Amino acid sequence: EPEVTQTPSHQVTQMGQEVILRCVPISNHLYFYWYRQILGQKVEFLVSFYNNEISEKSEIFDDQFSVERPDGSNFTLKIRSTKLEDSAMYFCASSPFGEGVGYEQYFGPGTRLTVT
Amino acid sequence: QQQVKQSPQSLIVQKGGISIINCAYENTAFDYFPWYQQFPGKGPALLIAIRPDVSEKKEGRFTISFNKSAKQFSLHIMDSQPGDSATYFCAANGGSQGNLIFGKGTKLSVKP
Repeated sequence: EPEVTQTPSHQVTQMGQEVILRCVPISNHLYFYWYRQILGQKVEFLVSFYNNEISEKSEIFDDQFSVERPDGSNFTLKIRSTKLEDSAMYFCASSPFGEGVGYEQYFGPGTRLTVT
Repeated sequence: QQQVKQSPQSLIVQKGGISIINCAYENTAFDYFPWYQQFPGKGPALLIAIRPDVSEKKEGRFTISFNKSAKQFSLHIMDSQPGDSATYFCAANGGSQGNLIFGKGTKLSVKP
C-alpha cells in the first residue's frame, strides 16, 4: 500500500540554525501539506501546496518557513532560523483532493525536531 | 468559528465496551469530517470519514454519527479492544484547499 515517507525521523539542531525536513508524498496525489504537533497537543495546519505553489498557509507559517517541491517526488519544509518553540513533530500529508476525488489526507510518520 | 471542539480529553473503557468520542463545530461551510487514530510516536492514520449529506457511516467496529442541525459528530467504537488504545482526533476541512482543523484529541485506554 502506498504511503507517505519522511526523513529524518529525528533532527536535533541548535537555535538559529536552518533545517530542512523532507517528505515523499504518495505518487499520484496532487495536494501536499505540512502540519506540526507540539508534544501532547493537537495537530496544527501549517501550509498546503498545489501545482508548485502555496495554496494556503496558517499564521504559524511565517517568513521563517518555506516549502518546495524540488523534483517530481520530494516535498520539503525549510525553517530558516530555528527557535526553541519550533520543537515539535512535523507531519507531511498528501491527498488526491480534487473534483470527483476524495479529501482524504494521508500522513507520514513525522519528523521530531528538537531545537536546543 | 474555525475550531473543532472534542470531548472527552481521556476515556477508559473495558474490553468489549463501547467507546464514544464527541466533536462539535461552528462553521457550516465545513463539508468533510474525518477521524484519525494516532499511536505514540506515529503519524495520524485516517480511520473513517463522513460528509454532511449522510447521518451515519459504519466501517467494521467504527461508526460515525453526524448531526448536521446540532453541528456535532461522534465516533463510536464497538467491542473496544486493548489494541484500540490510542489517541483519536476528529477534524474538519477548514479551507478551500482541504487543510484540516483538528480537535484536541481523546486518549482512549481499553482495559483488558
